Amino acid sequence: GDSVTQMEGPVTLSEEAFLTINCTYTATGYPSLFWYVQYPGEGLQLLLKATKADDKGSNKGFEATYRKETTSFHLEKGSVQVSDSAVYFCALSETGYSTLTFGKGTMLLVSP
Amino acid sequence: ETGVTQSPTHLIKTRGQQVTLRCSSQSGHNTVSWYQQALGQGPQFIFQYYREEENGRGNFPPRFSGLQFPNYSSELNVNALELDDSALYLCASSGKGGSQETQYFGPGTRLLVL
Repeated sequence: GDSVTQMEGPVTLSEEAFLTINCTYTATGYPSLFWYVQYPGEGLQLLLKATKADDKGSNKGFEATYRKETTSFHLEKGSVQVSDSAVYFCALSETGYSTLTFGKGTMLLVSP
Repeated sequence: ETGVTQSPTHLIKTRGQQVTLRCSSQSGHNTVSWYQQALGQGPQFIFQYYREEENGRGNFPPRFSGLQFPNYSSELNVNALELDDSALYLCASSGKGGSQETQYFGPGTRLLVL
């Protein structure tokens, strides 16, 4: 079945540091890929998405590129802020379906 | 545009009881999906409703059931609660079933089973 694997956290960074959170997936078809963010005590917010190979999703300074050859969708940001502290979830949905398969999440902690 | 709303925000029940959680979908959306998020884990898909019919189900027992109403709001019912049912329950809505529609999530209902 489908699965998503994320790097374990927490990831601890100082403000303005470069961020990478690794995500790899296993899927039978050609899935769409997503990053969602969850702030403390809240639900999930869509951060960015990509629907086909080589697509780059971007939002609020975050980027991720759909790499079919390595089945990866790593999240990057050039300069993190304290307000980026949250849990980040990588997810996929199979072709023709909107239901999501999530990774376990990666907590990001950014200190001033 | 109104986003996805859920009620109640928090709930405490005892083992063996039954619970009903509610979700109002985002304006214009006709598909609702429910997820269970245990502490420290990613959300797990429970089931999806599209135009009042169940449109897919994850690996959850039959004591997890749902409804969707003509206005596309939805309920999640859990019977015979177990301690392991303690989790954050998330509702997500999307435009229509299938076609890789993006799902938009509500704030969740946190259920504690004692």
